[in-house]
Amino acid sequence: AQTVTQSQPEMSVQEAETVTLSCTYDTSESDYYLFWYKQPPSRQMILVIRQEAYKQQNATENRFSVNFQKAAKSFSLKISDSQLGDAAMYFCACALNTDKLIFGTGTRLQVFP
Amino acid sequence: EPEVTQTPSHQVTQMGQEVILRCVPISNHLYFYWYRQILGQKVEFLVSFYNNEISEKSEIFDDQFSVERPDGSNFTLKIRSTKLEDSAMYFCASSGSGMTWEQYFGPGTRLTVT
Repeated sequence: AQTVTQSQPEMSVQEAETVTLSCTYDTSESDYYLFWYKQPPSRQMILVIRQEAYKQQNATENRFSVNFQKAAKSFSLKISDSQLGDAAMYFCACALNTDKLIFGTGTRLQVFP
Repeated sequence: EPEVTQTPSHQVTQMGQEVILRCVPISNHLYFYWYRQILGQKVEFLVSFYNNEISEKSEIFDDQFSVERPDGSNFTLKIRSTKLEDSAMYFCASSGSGMTWEQYFGPGTRLTVT
């Protein structure tokens, strides 16, 4: 069974600064996918970034990047040049291709001007 | 850009009543999912659906729940006799286009059972 752990219930960052959200996971599979989803107050789940476990290169999407450490089973999200609109809950998730997503408990990110 | 849609956005029902939550997945997707999120908690998997049948379901998805794809576009979740603890946000998601298998979520239906 897979598990996903987010040990930071809340984080805060100053506008324009960089913040890193932590996530660790556990799976016995070698082929899986990792995701970060953003949930703003509207509660919509928005895909931020994905990482295929077979890829060594860390995924990047504009200001969002990941630090994927497969041996350590760690998948952190770095947000650069933080903006007020980045304030939200962020959920880390793991899936085996078309299988269900297993989510962590989330990290609430506050962005201060 | 294609998106998953869900109706209604908010449903209020009395305990013991049946509710049907509706979803229209992205048109060329093959895999469909329902998740729920109790307020303040994490998102939990309920059921996945592929090729007109359930491929996996969680412990939450008991006999009170059922899913259906009645036509080529809609995907529904039915709760037969709602309980207070069914109050939650219900998300539909779909995937299966391309190689990356990411799931795209609808905006959710907030179910309130009184």
